[in-house]
This record gives sequence, structure tokens and C-alpha cells, in this order.
Amino acid sequence: GENVEQHPSTLSVQEGDSAVIKCTYSDSASNYFPWYKQELGKGPQLIIDIRSNVGEKKDQRIAVTLNKTAKHFSLHITETQPEDSAVYFCAATLRDKTIFGAGTRLFVKA
Amino acid sequence: GAGVSQSPSNKVTEKGKDVELRCDPISGHTALYWYRQSLGQGLEFLIYFQGNSAPDKSGLPSDRFSAERTGGSVSTLTIQRTQQEDSAVYLCASSFQGQQETQYFGPGTRLLVL
Repeated sequence: GENVEQHPSTLSVQEGDSAVIKCTYSDSASNYFPWYKQELGKGPQLIIDIRSNVGEKKDQRIAVTLNKTAKHFSLHITETQPEDSAVYFCAATLRDKTIFGAGTRLFVKA
Repeated sequence: GAGVSQSPSNKVTEKGKDVELRCDPISGHTALYWYRQSLGQGLEFLIYFQGNSAPDKSGLPSDRFSAERTGGSVSTLTIQRTQQEDSAVYLCASSFQGQQETQYFGPGTRLLVL
């Protein structure tokens, strides 16, 4: 079955710097890759997603890249702000199965 | 419109008691998911509903766990004879048709088994 690995588990950056979170997946047939942000005490919320027919997608300060050959995808946050501090989860979907990564706890220091 | 709601928001129970957790998905969403999140951990998949049927129950940790969905809407997750290791946040999510789409999560039910 599908397996998703996410790195790093914890990331601390200075406000204004960029943050990059990386995920790898095992099943080359996976075709949908969402990223979720979870703030303390709340459920995860989708921030960006990408499908396998696209290599990159951008939404303001957030971008996601997908390398199908290497089976990895990354989340890029530029100009980080304190409100970006949260836990971020990547996921890979294969047909009717979504597997989540273990999460990255991002700290943005003011 | 209204998002996914879950009740209760918090539940404290004694070991050995049964608990029922409820999820109200977004109206019109046919797919519904239950996850478990232990403190500081990732999302552990429990069960997925498409309409009222559950094509994937592979994540249920034991036969003490069961779930049902009626009328293609509300779902209930039942844990029988609770154990301390069942303590976690139970998250419900729904999506319009299936897993190739955004999952909208509820706020979760925080379960503490004493």
C-alpha cells in the first residue's frame, strides 16, 4: 500500500524567511496531493493541493512542487509570518485511499 | 454555509464504558471519514463512508470500534469497553464525492478515558 514520509518533523524559521517541507510517497499511481494546516485545537484545513498532471502550483506565499519521477512533493512558504506557525500535513491519494504524512510542526519566530 | 460539526467537543469517560461520537458532515457531501489523532501525532485513518456504505474499514483498530452512517448524512463512531489507549482526538471529515477532493474537517472530539 501507499506510504508517505514527511520531513522535517519540526522546523523553526525567522519571520520573513522561507520554509520548505518535503514529502515522499511510494505508489507511483497516486494522483492527488493535498497539504493541510492544523492550528492548535482545530481540525486540519486545506491550504493547497496539486494533481499529478501538474508540476507546480502557487497561491500567494504558498507553492507546491511535484516530481513524479522521484515521487516527492514539497510545500514552500515564502515571507513567513507568525500566523504561519502550525502543524502541516502532506497527503497522497490513490483511488479511494488517502495517506497522511506524520506532520511538520512549524515555528515562525518574530 | 455550515462546516463539519462534531459532538461532543470533549468527553471524559471511565475505562470500560461505551462512548458514541457524532459527526454532521457538510450538506450534500457523500464521502465521510473518521480519523484518530493522538497527542502531537499524525492522522490515523479509521473508516471511510461513501453514502451509507463503508468501502474501507481497514483502519478500525479493534472490534471494539464500529461506525455507521444513516441517510447519507450523520455518522456515529462507537467505542465499546473503552481503554486508556483510546484517549485521543477523533476527527471527522467530509468531501463532496470522494477522496480525490478537499476533505473538510470538523473540530474534533477530545476523548479522555480515565
